[in-house]
Amino acid sequence: DAGVIQSPRHEVTEMGQEVTLRCKPISGHDYLFWYRQTMMRGLELLIYFNNNVPIDDSGMPEDRFSAKMPNASFSTLKIQPSEPRDSAVYFCASTSRDRVYTGELFFGEGSRLTVL
Amino acid sequence: AQTVTQSQPEMSVQEAETVTLSCTYDTSESDYYLFWYKQPPSRQMILVIRQEAYKQQNATENRFSVNFQKAAKSFSLKISDSQLGDAAMYFCAYRSEEETSGSRLTFGEGTQLTVNP
Repeated sequence: DAGVIQSPRHEVTEMGQEVTLRCKPISGHDYLFWYRQTMMRGLELLIYFNNNVPIDDSGMPEDRFSAKMPNASFSTLKIQPSEPRDSAVYFCASTSRDRVYTGELFFGEGSRLTVL
Repeated sequence: AQTVTQSQPEMSVQEAETVTLSCTYDTSESDYYLFWYKQPPSRQMILVIRQEAYKQQNATENRFSVNFQKAAKSFSLKISDSQLGDAAMYFCAYRSEEETSGSRLTFGEGTQLTVNP
């Protein structure tokens, strides 16, 4: 079975540019999460969706960040404009209704973003 | 708010030997879940083992086992018969049982495990 698929795997951009990260969750999963990993702050939850609806976006750092889930098989995380401090690895994870309460998440391989 | 602390940034072990990774957490809740996730060089996080706080018996998954000390708020991971493929970053994580917290996992800082041949 295909796992969580993220693209791009690596992205290098210049400050001020728009960045869009993409995620395809595992088919049939009801929940989708966006995490950010940095050396300074470790793994942080940015936002999560249930049935395509954003449930908790309290981790989104500021208005420059936005996330959408237009359908059950696709989500985007957009940063506009990007800044060097946004450099990090961004992970998408998904899980099913019966696993969400036990905290078992299925992660993608992450998108490494470098903002120059 | 809950916090998870991994005090060992790096650990190393000889192949075939046993290593224990430490994790402590802080919470006022009585019901919760604890996890160890593995992040190999490929970056994809993989669930290694899970422990429900209401269970006294320590979880075991093949060569991986935990030592869960609820009163001490300690949750260590023991890897027996270490293999080269065990080399990875290991994250301890906490999930509240409270409904209002949703599905948020709180992760520790991670421990980088090196396995020496």
